[in-house]
Amino acid sequence: DAGVIQSPRHEVTEMGQEVTLRCKPISGHNSLFWYRQTMMRGLELLIYFNNNVPIDDSGMPEDRFSAKMPNASFSTLKIQPSEPRDSAVYFCASSSDLSHNEQFFGPGTRLTVL
Amino acid sequence: AQSVTQLGSHVSVSEGALVLLRCNYSSSVPPYLFWYVQYPNQGLQLLLKYTSAATLVKGINGFEAEFKKSETSFHLTKPSAHMSDAAEYFCAVTGGTSYGKLTFGQGTILTVHP
Repeated sequence: DAGVIQSPRHEVTEMGQEVTLRCKPISGHNSLFWYRQTMMRGLELLIYFNNNVPIDDSGMPEDRFSAKMPNASFSTLKIQPSEPRDSAVYFCASSSDLSHNEQFFGPGTRLTVL
Repeated sequence: AQSVTQLGSHVSVSEGALVLLRCNYSSSVPPYLFWYVQYPNQGLQLLLKYTSAATLVKGINGFEAEFKKSETSFHLTKPSAHMSDAAEYFCAVTGGTSYGKLTFGQGTILTVHP
């Protein structure tokens, strides 16, 4: 079985540019989570969806960040405009539902904003 | 609100020695607890989870953890460390109305030396 798929794996961009990160959850999973990992702040939950509906976006740092889940097999996290402080590893995770089941993580996207 | 404290950001052991990684949680509702491992440049992988069944939980790669309600602890152990155990380990908690939303500790980097 394919796990959670994220693309791209690495992204280098310049400040002010738009960045779009993509995630394909495990087939049959109906919950999807976006995390950001940095040395300073550790792992932070940005937003999560259940059945394609955003449940909690309180972790989204600013209006520059937005996330969508147009269908059960695809989600995007967009940063516009990007800033150097957005540099981090962004993880997508999915689970079969919200009832305390484990989350399966993708390999992450390493974003560098110059 | 829930929180997790991992005591010790770095732990170093000799190959063959006992591994003990400490995790204390705070939760006003019965918690569900997880340990994840992250190898360099990879996503997080579930080691084991506690979901209110047996208090001693066995996971992959010879790891186990014991839930102690009186101590609000969920420490991770392995009797004999192997070089391949070198990684970063995260403890996480969820439960109650925060179901699905994991709160992670800051992580503990385990180094195994010959």
